[in-house]
Amino acid sequence: AQTVTQSQPEMSVQEAETVTLSCTYDTSESDYYLFWYKQPPSRQMILVIRQEAYKQQNATENRFSVNFQKAAKSFSLKISDSQLGDAAMYFCAYSRGGGADGLTFGKGTHLIIQP
Amino acid sequence: DSGVTQTPKHLITATGQRVTLRCSPRSGDLSVYWYQQSLDQGLQFLIQYYNGEERAKGNILERFSAQQFPDLHSELNLSSLELGDSALYFCASSPSGRVRTDTQYFGPGTRLTVL
Repeated sequence: AQTVTQSQPEMSVQEAETVTLSCTYDTSESDYYLFWYKQPPSRQMILVIRQEAYKQQNATENRFSVNFQKAAKSFSLKISDSQLGDAAMYFCAYSRGGGADGLTFGKGTHLIIQP
Repeated sequence: DSGVTQTPKHLITATGQRVTLRCSPRSGDLSVYWYQQSLDQGLQFLIQYYNGEERAKGNILERFSAQQFPDLHSELNLSSLELGDSALYFCASSPSGRVRTDTQYFGPGTRLTVL
């Protein structure tokens, strides 16, 4: 079975600084997808970024980028120029390729932004 | 706003009762997924439907069942409720989920409290 591990229960960063959230996963599949979701206090799950395992290039969405290390099974999220609105729980998630699968989530990292 | 709607927002009921949670996917999406988020278990995938048919099963209890109707809305039925079923239940949808792995977009969730 696939597992996703987020080893940092909580992280704190100063506003405008850069922070990196860690995620490792375990799978024997070759076709899979990785995601970062954000859950603010409203509890809504919001997609931050998506990475296809077959792509070597790291995904980027504005201030959010990932460092995807396939051999190490590592998928970290970097948030640049942190803003107060970035404060939330961040969940790393894995999905097998082929469409028929739910997401396997890590336990989450609570990100605090210090003004 | 993801375009996925869930009703009701909150539900309070007693042990032993049965409840139905409803989800309407984004326009054009054929797959619906159900997730449970609790303090004990974190975020867990329950079940996926694609165009009316069950596509994948996760950690769904036998007391729980789901279906997807011809208009593509889905219902999650929870019966013989226990205190431990208290959780936030999310519905997500994606365009396909049959052959390729699409991004899942989450609804706002239904908060279930079992007393």
